[in-house]
Amino acid sequence: DIQMTQSPSALSAFVGDRVTVTCRASQSISNWLAWYQQKPGKAPRLLISKASSLESGVPPRFSGSGSGTEFTLTITSLQPDDFATYYCQHYESYFPTFGQGTKVEIK
Amino acid sequence: QVQLVESGGGVVQPGRSLRLSCAASGVTLSNYVIHWVRQAPGKGLEWVAAISGDGHSKYYADSVKGRLTLSWDTSKNTVSLQMDSLGLEDTAVYYCATEGGTSGKCGFFNYWGQGALVTVSS
Repeated sequence: DIQMTQSPSALSAFVGDRVTVTCRASQSISNWLAWYQQKPGKAPRLLISKASSLESGVPPRFSGSGSGTEFTLTITSLQPDDFATYYCQHYESYFPTFGQGTKVEIK
Repeated sequence: QVQLVESGGGVVQPGRSLRLSCAASGVTLSNYVIHWVRQAPGKGLEWVAAISGDGHSKYYADSVKGRLTLSWDTSKNTVSLQMDSLGLEDTAVYYCATEGGTSGKCGFFNYWGQGALVTVSS
């Protein structure tokens, strides 16, 4: 199975900061990568698919990049509503796997 | 607007069974591949299983293979997840989700239910 490793596992940032989360795959997954946002007690929300394709309704301060084994999720100008846990997920093949999550907290 | 609703969660003793359902409004569920993803308390997301719209293809994570079974009830526009021989490690919130796009082999998840809590406890 393909393993997904996110870093950092948690970070603290101010409103207005630029935040970057990294996701590494144990083997090449081309650009078959999705990013999700999850808030406590809620289901995950799809933000980005195919590594960089922003879902409808997702603010443009979110962006994704990368291919192969290394990917990033960037939030420019962090907003109060962005404090949450973020997960990457590959869908290159069965079985899809998620990164362990990155918790973004208020500094 | 697509809405998914899971039902059937609850408290069950180790070794017993439970059946979860995923119902949809705003969409014909059998037009999608439906996935189940679970999240143990305080932990991350774990993909569990998937079923194709025609029911011919089913996939299960190694951790649940042989104990969990997916099926369709197209007349009710629902997917069922039969969980047998439950263990403490199966305690989690179980989400159903629609596959929004695919690599040709697997997909990402665009619509999610609110989740059903399954607690395995003696």
